[in-house]
Amino acid sequence: GIQVEQSPPDLILQEGANSTLRCNFSDSVNNLQWFHQNPWGQLINLFYIPSGTKQNGRLSATTVATERYSLLYISSSQTTDSGVYFCAVVSYFGNEKLTFGTGTRLTIIP
Amino acid sequence: DVKVTQSSRYLVKRTGEKVFLECVQDMDHENMFWYRQDPGLGLRLIYFSYDVKMKEKGDIPEGYSVSREKKERFSLILESASTNQTSMYLCASSPSGGPDETQYFGPGTRLLVL
Repeated sequence: GIQVEQSPPDLILQEGANSTLRCNFSDSVNNLQWFHQNPWGQLINLFYIPSGTKQNGRLSATTVATERYSLLYISSSQTTDSGVYFCAVVSYFGNEKLTFGTGTRLTIIP
Repeated sequence: DVKVTQSSRYLVKRTGEKVFLECVQDMDHENMFWYRQDPGLGLRLIYFSYDVKMKEKGDIPEGYSVSREKKERFSLILESASTNQTSMYLCASSPSGGPDETQYFGPGTRLLVL
């Protein structure tokens, strides 16, 4: 099946810093989503972005489908941005199930 | 707003017990999913359902079964709980049946099997 790799696995930043999270996938996809899991375990969908660029406030995401990667940008980090960020994809040739990466744990220090 | 609720946030059970995890969504979504989340492994799909009374195995269905008698409710059943089923269980729902739909997650159930 499709492989999803996220980097870095852990990231510790000072409040106000910017960060870039990366998601690489091994096959063509027709669905790519970014999620944020807060420290209490709740997963929130951030973006549905199988290709192109989207922005939502301090967050933006870009997917380059032809090169099989996606990037999540967080600007002016706040402590509430802490948590785990997951990338999840549906393979173009697969069975319509989301396959998740193992996540990037982001810790923002005041 | 879409709301997905799970019956318990924390659950402690003994080995061999039958365990029911309930999930309810209030947005008339066709699709519902059960995942488990373990450190270093991300989320793995256990079972999913595209319609009432319909179920399909995910990547790790062994030791689990599911029930979907009503559109809004999707239950995960551990027939005989074992210690290796200690995990965080997450339910999700999404509209329609296509591959391009956002999934909405419940708050999760942390299950400890002793």
